[in-house]
Amino acid sequence: ILNVEQSPQSLHVQEGDSTNFTCSFPSSNFYALHWYRWETAKSPEALFVMTLNGDEKKKGRISATLNTKEGYSYLYIKGSQPEDSATYLCAPRASGGYQKVTFGTGTKLQVIP
Amino acid sequence: NAGVMQNPRHLVRRRGQEARLRCSPMKGHSHVYWYRQLPEEGLKFMVYLQKENIIDESGMPKERFSAEFPKEGPSILRIQQVVRGDSAAYFCASSNDRGGHYGYTFGSGTRLTVV
Repeated sequence: ILNVEQSPQSLHVQEGDSTNFTCSFPSSNFYALHWYRWETAKSPEALFVMTLNGDEKKKGRISATLNTKEGYSYLYIKGSQPEDSATYLCAPRASGGYQKVTFGTGTKLQVIP
Repeated sequence: NAGVMQNPRHLVRRRGQEARLRCSPMKGHSHVYWYRQLPEEGLKFMVYLQKENIIDESGMPKERFSAEFPKEGPSILRIQQVVRGDSAAYFCASSNDRGGHYGYTFGSGTRLTVV
């Protein structure tokens, strides 16, 4: 089981502000990292799958970067909107055949109109 | 494309009863994963199944919990003799590859309340 840490645990930002949060994971035996967005009363939805050091993925106003050497990934949201309010989960994967996915506890983002 | 279907959405059971949670994976997916979310906690892995096989049940409590994914029909998570501590949201996810390297598709969850 991987030790995954996400920070901050929760975050309140004003509409229009940009924000970012962190996922930290063991850098050894890294295989891939998944980001999910989880709105209240809904199911987690996959945002990004990242595998290479230096990877940068973008989906609309949301982007993510990956540093596998130091074991962290950042998720950025540009110009936050109320509909971005959700919990953002990261899930790193270790290499070596089948490895179960360990989810971080998430960063809960609330965007205030 | 119906996605991952879980039912029921809400389930209320009295202590000592059995709870059966169903999950139909996304079309074309043969790998199913069950996760539990306890109040104020994150998603905790329970079990990973591929058609007719349990691949990893390291997250399953040793007693009262079982899971299956038969050749035909949905995956079932079964909790016997439920206790109040079993109250949680149970999520099922599926993938079309072993271990879900390309990500999971989640269902909407079953919220179990034990009274």
